[in-house]
Amino acid sequence: DAMVIQNPRYQVTQFGKPVTLSCSQTLNHNVMYWYQQKSSQAPKLLFHYYDKDFNNEADTPDNFQSRRPNTSFCFLDIRSPGLGDAAMYLCATSSGQVSQPQHFGDGTRLSIL
Amino acid sequence: AQSVTQPDIHITVSEGASLELRCNYSYGATPYLFWYVQSPGQGLQLLLKYFSGDTLVQGIKGFEAEFKRSQSSFNLRKPSVHWSDAAEYFCAVAFNNAGNMLTFGGGTRLMVKP
Repeated sequence: DAMVIQNPRYQVTQFGKPVTLSCSQTLNHNVMYWYQQKSSQAPKLLFHYYDKDFNNEADTPDNFQSRRPNTSFCFLDIRSPGLGDAAMYLCATSSGQVSQPQHFGDGTRLSIL
Repeated sequence: AQSVTQPDIHITVSEGASLELRCNYSYGATPYLFWYVQSPGQGLQLLLKYFSGDTLVQGIKGFEAEFKRSQSSFNLRKPSVHWSDAAEYFCAVAFNNAGNMLTFGGGTRLMVKP
């Protein structure tokens, strides 16, 4: 089945130690998104790529970066994680058409020690 | 500003009972409407979507939703809830002038009593 795969499912890192989360897709979608979701809250969009074009949300901290080396893969880099960055990180993809839904991965749960 | 509201933060129903989760949006035109479900520790799974045509749409897992333009609502319903339906439900809207970006409601946590 075509899908969105996130690795790892659980990630533990130390305060201030860089961490990278990965997302891959077999849907061949143009758009890939990264969301941050804290407990009992809706997902919050951090940024998205439309093909190679990077679009950052205005309130996304500079600590968060992203890379999309090809259509299938997208990475979320957190340069210096703080305790407030502990959250579920969700990757999603879409074709880019407004009528089409976003397809989500199962997420990576990030813990900060 | 465009917004999506889910008025109920928590809902508890008995297994076998009917369910309705509310979703209201604020927008001048007809948006594209989605319902997602999220089980604990999982990503979001699409239940159903609406963008035109019949205002009553059927989804997976026995869910349906009805778009009511006059009320700016897109409520999710299920006639008989199963214990496995316990999860967080998110209404999401894509507004035409926002491209493919989704605006999420705050979510409704559904608990099912045996």
